[in-house]
Amino acid sequence: QSVLTQPPSVSAAPGQKVTISCSGSNSNIGSNYLSWYQHLPGTAPKLLIYEYDKRPSGIPDRFSGSKSGASATLVITGLQTGDEADYYCGTWDSSLGAVVFGGGTKLTVL
Amino acid sequence: EVQLVESGGGLVQPGGSLRLSCAASEFTFSYYWMHWVRQTPGKGLMWISRISGDGSHTNYADSVRGRLTVSRDNAKNTVYLQMNSLGAEDTAIYYCAGGNIYRLNFWGQGTLVTVSS
Repeated sequence: QSVLTQPPSVSAAPGQKVTISCSGSNSNIGSNYLSWYQHLPGTAPKLLIYEYDKRPSGIPDRFSGSKSGASATLVITGLQTGDEADYYCGTWDSSLGAVVFGGGTKLTVL
Repeated sequence: EVQLVESGGGLVQPGGSLRLSCAASEFTFSYYWMHWVRQTPGKGLMWISRISGDGSHTNYADSVRGRLTVSRDNAKNTVYLQMNSLGAEDTAIYYCAGGNIYRLNFWGQGTLVTVSS
């Protein structure tokens, strides 16, 4: 059972918008910066969002992040088939003294 | 382009040991914390360990503390993960990643470790 809670799967049609939630606690999301990662099986995971809402260079603005209290949200707009992947939230947990990830959300673009 | 290449994975018997390596290139290696993360078959990502840029600080997940040891050689731009007393639960793809204390900016492609008799 993951410290951060994500929905196991989400789906939407090409061109649509999808939202992926990540719920934690005051010891992780509530007090430490959160990142989002995209992982296509068999490839290297990729940093999508850091510090809740910042994008590394090269990440399109179709990807955005936000935080509210001890929860965070990843929004992907203008869905493309190439966005099909597993998405993970991750942060430091001050109580555990460890980096923690959500269980991952599988995005299907119908 | 930043590159991380893991090696050293393979088949090992229960109770055995293995040392993974992760060779880095195209970034100032010593500036970055390096992490190890694994993904067991059909499951999500699990953080295992991290080491500071100068190698003076290390942290481990509770489930691996005492069996796994992270180290680095900045002269060789390489980070290592020594794994001892391996069990079936350690079967996974192991990724190295570079970043800061809590963020993993760039990742390798992973190396597969299979623990089986």
